[in-house]
Amino acid sequence: EAQVTQNPRYLITVTGKKLTVTCSQNMNHEYMSWYRQDPGLGLRQIYYSMNVEVTDKGDVPEGYKVSRKEKRNFPLILESPSPNQTSLYFCASSLKENRDTQYFGPGTRLTVL
Amino acid sequence: LAKTTQPISMDSYEGQEVNITCSHNNIATNDYITWYQQFPSQGPRFIIQGYKTKVTNEVASLFIPADRKSSTLSLPRVSLSDTAVYYCLVTTSGTYKYIFGTGTRLKVLA
Repeated sequence: EAQVTQNPRYLITVTGKKLTVTCSQNMNHEYMSWYRQDPGLGLRQIYYSMNVEVTDKGDVPEGYKVSRKEKRNFPLILESPSPNQTSLYFCASSLKENRDTQYFGPGTRLTVL
Repeated sequence: LAKTTQPISMDSYEGQEVNITCSHNNIATNDYITWYQQFPSQGPRFIIQGYKTKVTNEVASLFIPADRKSSTLSLPRVSLSDTAVYYCLVTTSGTYKYIFGTGTRLKVLA
């Protein structure tokens, strides 16, 4: 089944403890992206990747890192999480030639205490 | 990227046609209008995309007037399962950034 998977789905952590949220897609998509969703602010783009080893910042990249070493994986790294990064995170992917049709993962609910 | 404005929320009854209008006054020549749907506790799902006039698929229709400064997503005969948040985006060919905004929360009542 074609899908985008994220792990973990739920995570409670403490300030400053490094964490990684994984994202994987099995559709051979070139484009991948991370978003965060907060009440009243909607979905905001954190980082995106046009292909392997090619990444760029979205609207809210501060406090996040990403890497794209393989086409199928696009992990989101929080080196030193803070409470203001408590949010619902979504990973998405799409084909390069049909980039606007993004397929989203199920989301990761992160709480930073 | 052109900014979009859409109503915060709408209520409708089962069986009715629902029209959600999105304003995008600064849309550029290369821009497309794209709509996504998000059910509670799920990621957004692509519904429809258009450039001008009318586009229809199995889920919805999208109406875009000649000046392209607004667009209307039309959902025919809604059911309770259409309760969701609907996002209007202006997407620019050649760019990789997306602005979803806060969307329109549609509640379908029995």
